[in-house]
Amino acid sequence: GESVGLHLPTLSVQEGDNSIINCAYSNSASDYFIWYKQESGKGPQFIIDIRSNMDKRQGQRVTVLLNKTVKHLSLQIAATQPGDSAVYFCAENRRGSYIPTFGRGTSLIVHP
Amino acid sequence: ETGVTQSPTHLIKTRGQQVTLRCSSQSGHNTVSWYQQALGQGPQFIFQYYREEENGRGNFPPRFSGLQFPNYSSELNVNALELDDSALYLCASSARGQETQYFGPGTRLLVL
Repeated sequence: GESVGLHLPTLSVQEGDNSIINCAYSNSASDYFIWYKQESGKGPQFIIDIRSNMDKRQGQRVTVLLNKTVKHLSLQIAATQPGDSAVYFCAENRRGSYIPTFGRGTSLIVHP
Repeated sequence: ETGVTQSPTHLIKTRGQQVTLRCSSQSGHNTVSWYQQALGQGPQFIFQYYREEENGRGNFPPRFSGLQFPNYSSELNVNALELDDSALYLCASSARGQETQYFGPGTRLLVL
């Protein structure tokens, strides 16, 4: 299940570094995973998705890795930029469901 | 292509009042989902509408109700507002049979 609280995990990086944001999921029946980016005062924005029959998927500057054995998902952002500063959420869909369950979120802070 | 829009952007109500929030789905999308996002937490699923009928509901009381219209736009109604209803209310749309949801900017509700 999800943890709750006001204090999000935070990752601070320097501009130009690579960032890795991690997410653990608990439902072995989940077969579709999505990463969303949420900037302050805005709604979540779709970044990248991956299905459970894949281990890795790449987009523009982003890569998602899925380890089903340990139920772990990660988002890698290459050459992180100040505009990447936001809260990042992973979400999972159980097989046959069109309703995602969101994780807690990680706040990414990019220092110029 | 028009994205998901929501109105109003901000709203202040007092405890016991009723509120209606509105959402227009992205063009080509016929499924609308509503989420509540408390500060520092991930979005929590309220309900989903498809073909003007509720198509799934999260753990929210009956005073949270909704509508979907023939043009796929939607309303979220909350009766007997409580202080804990203060949150960002997000609408997301998707095409039927597609898991990926696209979010609007949200309505920030403050209950005093």
